[in-house]
Amino acid sequence: DVKVTQSSRYLVKRTGEKVFLECVQDMDHENMFWYRQDPGLGLRLIYFSYDVKMKEKGDIPEGYSVSREKKERFSLILESASTNQTSMYLCASTSNTEAFFGQGTRLTVV
Amino acid sequence: AQSVTQPDIHITVSEGASLELRCNYSYGATPYLFWYVQSPGQGLQLLLKYFSGDTLVQGIKGFEAEFKRSQSSFNLRKPSVHWSDAAEYFCAVDFSGAGSYQLTFGKGTKLSVIP
Repeated sequence: DVKVTQSSRYLVKRTGEKVFLECVQDMDHENMFWYRQDPGLGLRLIYFSYDVKMKEKGDIPEGYSVSREKKERFSLILESASTNQTSMYLCASTSNTEAFFGQGTRLTVV
Repeated sequence: AQSVTQPDIHITVSEGASLELRCNYSYGATPYLFWYVQSPGQGLQLLLKYFSGDTLVQGIKGFEAEFKRSQSSFNLRKPSVHWSDAAEYFCAVDFSGAGSYQLTFGKGTKLSVIP
């Protein structure tokens, strides 16, 4: 089975902290994505990457950055966390025919 | 701007009744279309997808969806709902048409099932 693993299920961080959300996939997929999910808003694309060292902005990149140093790992970075970044964050990895999602990281910024 | 609309925020059906969840998208060409389900505390699971060909698509758990180009719709159906189908359902669209999987999601429809 394809596995997309997000390092934390729950995180609580303070305003202004630098936060790293890690995502690892084990199927050698080239494409990886970060979404945030908020009630009533569905999932919104933050950033994506089609290859190592490559990144593209999604629909809501403000306040976020990403890192893809290795093919299997795609990190989402909140340079200075704010309370409006409290959300569920979902990572996805895709083959040619399907997207596979991680279990999500619920981040609370206090 | 490209968008995906799920007009029903919350639907309640009785167990055994039929179900239809609506999804419309804004675009001219034929995008790639998906339905995902998310149970509480779980990640997203793919129910079915449409890329091309037969416009009636069969998925897992007894779900099917029909692509109607003229209506820009991709509605999800199930003839007889089970209590375990209670979850949130998301329609998603890859507008690139190239299988890039840059997915635009609808806001979701929460399904409640009455025993």
